[in-house]
Amino acid sequence: ETGVTQTPRHLVMGMTNKKSLKCEQHLGHNAMYWYKQSAKKPLELMFVYNFKEQTENNSVPSRFSPECPNSSHLFLHLHTLQPEDSALYLCASSQDLGRQFEQYFGPGTRLTVT
Amino acid sequence: KNEVEQSPQNLTAQEGEFITINCSYSVGISALHWLQQHPGGGIVSLFMLSSGKKKHGRLIATINIQEKHSSLHITASHPRDSAVYICAVRGSGGSNYKLTFGKGTLLTVNP
Repeated sequence: ETGVTQTPRHLVMGMTNKKSLKCEQHLGHNAMYWYKQSAKKPLELMFVYNFKEQTENNSVPSRFSPECPNSSHLFLHLHTLQPEDSALYLCASSQDLGRQFEQYFGPGTRLTVT
Repeated sequence: KNEVEQSPQNLTAQEGEFITINCSYSVGISALHWLQQHPGGGIVSLFMLSSGKKKHGRLIATINIQEKHSSLHITASHPRDSAVYICAVRGSGGSNYKLTFGKGTLLTVNP
């Protein structure tokens, strides 16, 4: 248990659906991250938020829309996804941005787009 | 070519064997992380190091900054060590919160 929770753990959605992934951290951290992990590829950073402000959008398609209402919660809203978006989506948090702060990962949401 | 290369990609060992996983990187870094990912997805940080060597239980991580190389060793391996081990490096520039990840090494330890 890392103090970062994600729901749902598994999600199957059609290409026309709209769904949201939720991440919550109980560590009092200020920075939160979304990562995508596709089969046989390294983890890819998608978004970074620090004190609720987006500091990084790593050229992510607009069908992925993040929301960070407060430092403890992070959402990833999904709409009109493609089958190639099927992956494990991991949330992480850290005390702050900066090289001395470790990132703590959630268990991930396994997303399948049909 | 990925900036972070791990070898081997897959490793099968018998319980009790000494395990070594290697990581090479091509960029300047401020730190290197070793992470463990169990089936089901969750990732746990094992080590963060910027020089020398760190030890935690049966795990040892070393880094050679000049050679841009790190190794993760597991002594007296056990089936519960079966997991994907991921090397990640943290940049040295302004965006040094960013991690660049290797593809991971799948370790299977048989009883």
